[in-house]
Amino acid sequence: ILNVEQSPQSLHVQEGDSTNFTCSFPSSNFYALHWYRWETAKSPEALFVMTLNGDEKKKGRISATLNTKEGYSYLYIKGSQPEDSATYLCAPNTGNQFYFGTGTSLTVIP
Amino acid sequence: KAGVTQTPRYLIKTRGQQVTLSCSPISGHRSVSWYQQTPGQGLQFLFEYFSETQRNKGNFPGRFSGRQFSNSRSEMNVSTLELGDSALYLCASSSTTHSFTDTQYFGPGTRLTVL
Repeated sequence: ILNVEQSPQSLHVQEGDSTNFTCSFPSSNFYALHWYRWETAKSPEALFVMTLNGDEKKKGRISATLNTKEGYSYLYIKGSQPEDSATYLCAPNTGNQFYFGTGTSLTVIP
Repeated sequence: KAGVTQTPRYLIKTRGQQVTLSCSPISGHRSVSWYQQTPGQGLQFLFEYFSETQRNKGNFPGRFSGRQFSNSRSEMNVSTLELGDSALYLCASSSTTHSFTDTQYFGPGTRLTVL
């Protein structure tokens, strides 16, 4: 069992603010890390797949970085919008299964 | 392209009963994984099927079982239901054999309530 921690657990920001969350995981047996966005009443939606130490991915206003040596990944949202309100999940994969964190719940206040 | 579908969406059962949930992956996807989410817990991996074979299995009791058909559709069965089995059950499909880098596409889930 892999212990995956996400912080903060929840976050309220004003529209236009930039924000970031952390995903921490044991650095051994690491194969890949996935980030998902899960909006209420919808299915989790893949954001990024990251595999290499130092990886940086970007999709519009959302970006992510990966440090496999120290076992963490950051997700950044620049200029948050109300439609960014969702729970953001990270899931490292050890080669045979994903281990999901409990997520960071983001609420963007208009 | 149609997404992942799950049936039924909601289910109410009583303790001791058994239940079967169904998942139809995206056309062409051969891998189907199942997850359980209970309040306060992250998604817990149940099992993964690829080409009708269970490829990986999470840490769940034998009451939880699954199978995959030749058309990649998958079913999950829970026997002798317990109150703690009340959860959202999600399935996800992906396309190739490199499961740790493949993007997973999730279905809407089945909400199971055990009374």
